[in-house]
Amino acid sequence: GQQVMQIPQYQHVQEGEDFTTYCNSSTTLSNIQWYKQRPGGHPVFLIQLVKSGEVKKQKRLTFQFGEAKKNSSLHITATQTTDVGTYFCAGGTGNNRKLIWGLGTSLAVNP
Amino acid sequence: GAGVSQTPSNKVTEKGKYVELRCDPISGHTALYWYRQSLGQGPEFLIYFQGTGAADDSGLPNDRFFAVRPEGSVSTLKIQRTERGDSAVYLCASSLLTDGVGTGELFFGEGSRLTVL
Repeated sequence: GQQVMQIPQYQHVQEGEDFTTYCNSSTTLSNIQWYKQRPGGHPVFLIQLVKSGEVKKQKRLTFQFGEAKKNSSLHITATQTTDVGTYFCAGGTGNNRKLIWGLGTSLAVNP
Repeated sequence: GAGVSQTPSNKVTEKGKYVELRCDPISGHTALYWYRQSLGQGPEFLIYFQGTGAADDSGLPNDRFFAVRPEGSVSTLKIQRTERGDSAVYLCASSLLTDGVGTGELFFGEGSRLTVL
């Protein structure tokens, strides 16, 4: 079946260091979304990417969608303690409204 | 309300009992989704409603699980003969569907934590 793999599973960084999480799908995606979930909280939407090779930036966050639309990445520049949480990618296929979620990357930031 | 509301926030029940979880989506959102999330896992799709009808229920694990949305707004997830393996956080999300690709931004509720003893 369709799978979305996310690496790494965990990442500890020192405040100020950069962080990247990668998402890979076994099938071509129509779109990919990224969410952040704080400990004890619920997923919060960050962004949706639709176009092949698309790059979007939100302040210190940079999101990329691969040319083949099978992989994506989220890069955070100069992490802050407020970036702590689990980052999930979720991919959609075709015209359906069902997202396939990765297992997430848990980010810990040491002050 | 301003956001997606889920009740109860916590539910402890005994194995074999019946449970109902309620979701009140953002007003005007036609799409409603149920997910469940276990510790250390990503959300697992259960069912998706567009309006009153279940457009995709392929994620429901078995016939003990059922969900309704009779008036196209509030939805109830029903679990019969609960088992210990049903213990998880049940998340509801809603979105404002467009003609574009995908689900659009999903707005999640705080979740209902179900514990089956």
